[in-house]
Amino acid sequence: GQQVMQIPQYQHVQEGEDFTTYCNSSTTLSNIQWYKQRPGGHPVFLIQLVKSGEVKKQKRLTFQFGEAKKNSSLHITATQTTDVGTYFCAASSSNTGKLIFGQGTTLQVKP
Amino acid sequence: DVKVTQSSRYLVKRTGEKVFLECVQDMDHENMFWYRQDPGLGLRLIYFSYDVKMKEKGDIPEGYSVSREKKERFSLILESASTNQTSMYLCASSSGLAGGTSTDTQYFGPGTRLTVL
Repeated sequence: GQQVMQIPQYQHVQEGEDFTTYCNSSTTLSNIQWYKQRPGGHPVFLIQLVKSGEVKKQKRLTFQFGEAKKNSSLHITATQTTDVGTYFCAASSSNTGKLIFGQGTTLQVKP
Repeated sequence: DVKVTQSSRYLVKRTGEKVFLECVQDMDHENMFWYRQDPGLGLRLIYFSYDVKMKEKGDIPEGYSVSREKKERFSLILESASTNQTSMYLCASSSGLAGGTSTDTQYFGPGTRLTVL
């Protein structure tokens, strides 16, 4: 079945450094969503990208959808301790509303 | 605000017991989902439902069953719990209204950490 690969699995950064997580699929995606899960919490929706080459920003977070709609990235500029958590990408499989989640990237930020 | 609640935050059961995990959403959502989350494996879909009394297998349905008798409630059942079912279980719901190339946002419950001894 469809798979979504996400790298890296873990990332430790110094506060103020940048961070990027990547999501890749072997098939063309209808769209991609990004979720954040704080330690001890549950995944919370951040954004959805639908168009080829789309770029969206939320403050220090920049989300990109590849031109071929097979990959996506989330970049955080100047990380803060509040950015700590696990970031998941999730791709749509069909019109059922079902999502295929990547394995997640866990971000640790050293103050 | 959408609210998804799960019956327990922590649960400890013994091997062979029948386990019920309950999930309730208050936003009249059509779709409901059960995932398990394990380190390094992300969220894996167990079952989902897009209507009352309808259910579809996800990626890892073995050892589980589900029930959706009412729109707001989706139950996950472990017929005979085993130690390899020790995990974090997350329920989610979505509206079912998205069309075209969009997919509905999923709203997650707080999770149930199940330990099977």
